[in-house]
Amino acid sequence: DAGVTQSPTHLIKTRGQHVTLRCSPISGHKSVSWYQQVLGQGPQFIFQYYEKEERGRGNFPDRFSARQFPNYSSELNVNALLLGDSALYLCASSLSAPGEQFFGPGTRLTVL
Amino acid sequence: RKEVEQDPGPFNVPEGATVAFNCTYSNSASQSFFWYRQDCRKEPKLLMSVYSSGNEDGRFTAQLNRASQYISLLIRDSKLSDSATYLCVVNMNPSNTGKLIFGQGTTLQVKP
Repeated sequence: DAGVTQSPTHLIKTRGQHVTLRCSPISGHKSVSWYQQVLGQGPQFIFQYYEKEERGRGNFPDRFSARQFPNYSSELNVNALLLGDSALYLCASSLSAPGEQFFGPGTRLTVL
Repeated sequence: RKEVEQDPGPFNVPEGATVAFNCTYSNSASQSFFWYRQDCRKEPKLLMSVYSSGNEDGRFTAQLNRASQYISLLIRDSKLSDSATYLCVVNMNPSNTGKLIFGQGTTLQVKP
C-alpha cells in the first residue's frame, strides 16, 4: 500500500513569492496534518484537517493557509515567503483526527 | 518552558549497550504519547505508542508516568542501525484534535 506522498520533494523560491505544497494521505485516512521542521528542531504543528474541515491551527502567521479536498488530499499555501520559511514541510495522515499519524517524505523548501 | 522537553544528546554508546531516553511534558491534560524515530534528512517514523501500563516491542520499552509527566524509552542491545534521532511526542488532545507536540529530539549514535 502506498504511504503518504508529497510533492514536490524540493523547491527553491525567492523572498516574496508564493508556494503550494501538496499531500496525498494513506488510502482510507481522512485526516491530514501539516508540520514545519527547521534544522535541529522537532516538527512544529501548522494545521490539521479532518473531513475537509480545519480541526486545529498552530502558531503560524496568516501567510500560511491550507485546505483539504473531497478525496482527502491537501494543499499547504504560503504567501510572501520569508527567509525563515526555509524548512522541511511534513504532511501526516491518520484515520481520525486524534489517531496515530504517519508522515510523508516531506518537501524541502529553500527561500533565497 | 517548552511543552515537551528532551535532552538533545548526543548519546554515544557501543553496540550491545542499553540506553535510556527521558522526556517531560508540561500539560497534565495530555492524552496520547508516542516515540518517533527520525533518520537524517528523512521523515519521522512512528516507533511506538506509549500506554499508561507501559509497553514493549522487542528491544524497545516505553513507559509513562502521568503523575510526574514523564515518558521514557529504553533500548536494549543497541544495534548500529538504531543510530537516529528519537522524538518524544505528545498529543494534548484538548478538543479531539491531532495536534502533536514534538520534543527537540535526542540523537543516538551507536558505535561498533
